[in-house]
Amino acid sequence: GQSLEQPSEVTAVEGAIVQINCTYQTSGFYGLSWYQQHDGGAPTFLSYNGLDGLEETGRFSSFLSRSDSYGYLLLQELQMKDSASYFCAATGGGNKLTFGTGTQLKVEL
Amino acid sequence: GAVVSQHPSRVICKSGTSVKIECRSLDFQATTMFWYRQFPKQSLMLMATSNEGSKATYEQGVEKDKFLINHASLTLSTLTVTSAHPEDSSFYICSASERGHGYTFGSGTRLTVV
Repeated sequence: GQSLEQPSEVTAVEGAIVQINCTYQTSGFYGLSWYQQHDGGAPTFLSYNGLDGLEETGRFSSFLSRSDSYGYLLLQELQMKDSASYFCAATGGGNKLTFGTGTQLKVEL
Repeated sequence: GAVVSQHPSRVICKSGTSVKIECRSLDFQATTMFWYRQFPKQSLMLMATSNEGSKATYEQGVEKDKFLINHASLTLSTLTVTSAHPEDSSFYICSASERGHGYTFGSGTRLTVV
């Protein structure tokens, strides 16, 4: 099985940079994804790391270290609309996607 | 991009009745579909994985006789919640996977059992 742990809440001010960490324990692992979810909505794909290192997509970057079973999502130039829940998700055997515990990000003025 | 249509978006049903949720991939063939359940303020929990033309594989703790999954074609999967009870009230989300193209999520179904 797989378990992925994230901080439950993170608060930051508009314009700042915030990092959301994800540590995982897996029995099979192919890569780590990040999703954003607003209240009542479906998850929206943000980024994917299949290899170690940093992936950058606009204001969002994601990092993976397989040796440390650790990854993070970095959000830059925070905007109020970034207030949402963020989930890391591991792709494992059977092409299954297992979600992390989730982080509620609150962006304040 | 790939689109997955999920219906209904909201449903209220009486305790003891059954509810069917549909998930369609509109512009691609979904070799695999996944069904998730999400309770308020919690993460998405995988319920089952279905491949077209074969029986669904259920995660540990999910009752296969209660949550019936049918994946009759490469573009349609259905989840039927049978004999629903208030504790089944939740947000149900499907996800479709096209080989090599990642996952596309439906918009979710808010089920309320009264």
